[in-house]
Amino acid sequence: GAGVSQSPSNKVTEKGKDVELRCDPISGHTALYWYRQSLGQGLEFLIYFQGNSAPDKSGLPSDRFSAERTGGSVSTLTIQRTQQEDSAVYLCASSSGGGLYNEQFFGPGTRLTVL
Amino acid sequence: AQSVTQLDSQVPVFEEAPVELRCNYSSSVSVYLFWYVQYPNQGLQLLLKYLSGSTLVKGINGFEAEFNKSQTSFHLRKPSVHISDTAEYFCAVSWMDSSYKLIFGSGTRLLVRP
Repeated sequence: GAGVSQSPSNKVTEKGKDVELRCDPISGHTALYWYRQSLGQGLEFLIYFQGNSAPDKSGLPSDRFSAERTGGSVSTLTIQRTQQEDSAVYLCASSSGGGLYNEQFFGPGTRLTVL
Repeated sequence: AQSVTQLDSQVPVFEEAPVELRCNYSSSVSVYLFWYVQYPNQGLQLLLKYLSGSTLVKGINGFEAEFNKSQTSFHLRKPSVHISDTAEYFCAVSWMDSSYKLIFGSGTRLLVRP
């Protein structure tokens, strides 16, 4: 497809379980971003990738959160020992470069519910 | 800390009426400004952006926004709304020292009624 895709679209898990969220960026986009959208709040920056490296991980809320990107393409956001406060929509975006002149294109998100 | 404020969580308006969605941010030093729209069950879509130049920016679907440096604002306007404009609107700001990172407001739900 032409856009950013994310899977799964919905994920329900039990507290304490680990989850993996996947993002497929637009082909050729070197920059990739993860954001979190909690109920009633705006989007919160989590992490930024340029290629396979993450120059800015400052938004990851705790050490239970990690992300990787392989082959300069697909990225996985992993949440270990999930907590109820992790419930949110996780959005991925990609752009052709990491600067402000490069529009970020967003995926539809993964809705995570932690019971 | 850098922050973006959208004071109105919801704005109801009748079809064909004008609308303004407000956005303020915490610092005017070298900022870049964006408005995104999120239609139900869809991803975010860029409406318009201000990077430099004219302070009045025109975007898609008849929307425009004006950058006001002294008031640190970037309000979104449309002179006549349609039912199809019903959506969530997010203001976002990027600061020069970390231009890849967008800081978002909490969003404003525009509800257009017939």
